[in-house]
Amino acid sequence: DQQVKQNSPSLSVQEGRISILNCDYTNSMFDYFLWYKKYPAEGPTFLISISSIKDKNEDGRFTVFLNKSAKHLSLHIVPSQPGDSAVYFCASYVNSGGSNYKLTFGKGTLLTVNP
Amino acid sequence: KAGVTQTPRYLIKTRGQQVTLSCSPISGHRSVSWYQQTPGQGLQFLFEYFSETQRNKGNFPGRFSGRQFSNSRSEMNVSTLELGDSALYLCASGRGDLGNTIYFGEGSWLTVV
Repeated sequence: DQQVKQNSPSLSVQEGRISILNCDYTNSMFDYFLWYKKYPAEGPTFLISISSIKDKNEDGRFTVFLNKSAKHLSLHIVPSQPGDSAVYFCASYVNSGGSNYKLTFGKGTLLTVNP
Repeated sequence: KAGVTQTPRYLIKTRGQQVTLSCSPISGHRSVSWYQQTPGQGLQFLFEYFSETQRNKGNFPGRFSGRQFSNSRSEMNVSTLELGDSALYLCASGRGDLGNTIYFGEGSWLTVV
């Protein structure tokens, strides 16, 4: 199974600065990755995705970078705002047998943006 | 376009009881996935249904089951509830293609006492 790892349980940054959230994966079964944001007591909200044909995808203040050789992706938020304080999950499709794939999530990183 | 709707939002059950949670996907979506979230464990995949068939299954005991109806609505059931089943249960819908985005509902908070 492809493992999606977010090694930093938490991150604290100042408002206006850059937030960088990291994610590592252990094999290359299907190179398509998604980032979700989750506030307490709410469901995760889709933020941005990237496929293996790109090494960067940008949407407003959010940019995701993919380094296939290092099996690493990162989400950059610039500038960070207090409303960005949430748990961020990266996710990837993992082959679950035959032609079936399931979306697997990392354990999340809690981002706190201080005013 | 309406989002993913889950009911009930909150419920409290006693150990040994069973519970059924419901999920209405986004119109036109044929795939429904269920996830369990507990503190420190991230989002654990339970199962996925596509066109009324279970297409994927996570590593949960047989007490956890689900089904999907012809209108793509889905239910999940947990029998013989244990204290450790207390969690946020999330439903997500998508087109069902490989590499597509899935969209989550607000979740159902289950507390087992």
